[in-house]
Amino acid sequence: EDQVTQSPEALRLQEGESSSLNCSYTVSGLRGLFWYRQDPGKGPEFLFTLYSAGEEKEKERLKATLTKKESFLHITAPKPEDSATYLCAVQAPGGSEKLVFGKGTKLTVNP
Amino acid sequence: NAGVTQTPKFRVLKTGQSMTLLCAQDMNHEYMYWYRQDPGMGLRLIHYSVGEGTTAKGEVPDGYNVSRLKKQNFLLGLESAAPSQTSVYFCASQNQMRSPLHFGNGTRLTVT
Repeated sequence: EDQVTQSPEALRLQEGESSSLNCSYTVSGLRGLFWYRQDPGKGPEFLFTLYSAGEEKEKERLKATLTKKESFLHITAPKPEDSATYLCAVQAPGGSEKLVFGKGTKLTVNP
Repeated sequence: NAGVTQTPKFRVLKTGQSMTLLCAQDMNHEYMYWYRQDPGMGLRLIHYSVGEGTTAKGEVPDGYNVSRLKKQNFLLGLESAAPSQTSVYFCASQNQMRSPLHFGNGTRLTVT
């Protein structure tokens, strides 16, 4: 069974304190790994797609990396506006009906 | 550009009542999806559509029906609401397979 596990469930950082979120997965034939950001009361907002091990993507203070078993979302010098829940999803062979979401990591950045 | 719009934003139903949630997208996307999000659980797919006039079951389809009569609209119906259907419902659209999903801002449904 395809599974996605995100850790930690919650993370509290001070402004400027860099850290990483983890997304470990088991899927037969990864077709893509997606990172989304979700603010309270809003729908998930797309951040990155990674397709193969070794791939990296960056956007402002965020950097996503991918290995054969897990992905990391690195947050460098975070600001309070980075506070959100970060969701990871993996796509198994097939269409997007095969997208499996993790439960998310709730990040809080204190000023 | 509105993107994906969901109506209503909030709704309270009594057990046994019916309702329809509307999702509209203005990006001319082929694929559309309905998810539910519950505390402590990931997003779970209810139903999806790969084009106008098509629908298919997802992971948790029981108690729901859908229709896609127009390409831009995807409707989710509850014929006889149950407390277990209390959740936040998200609609998403997608341009092509493997491209990112675009989500609406959700409908919070409470069934008493």
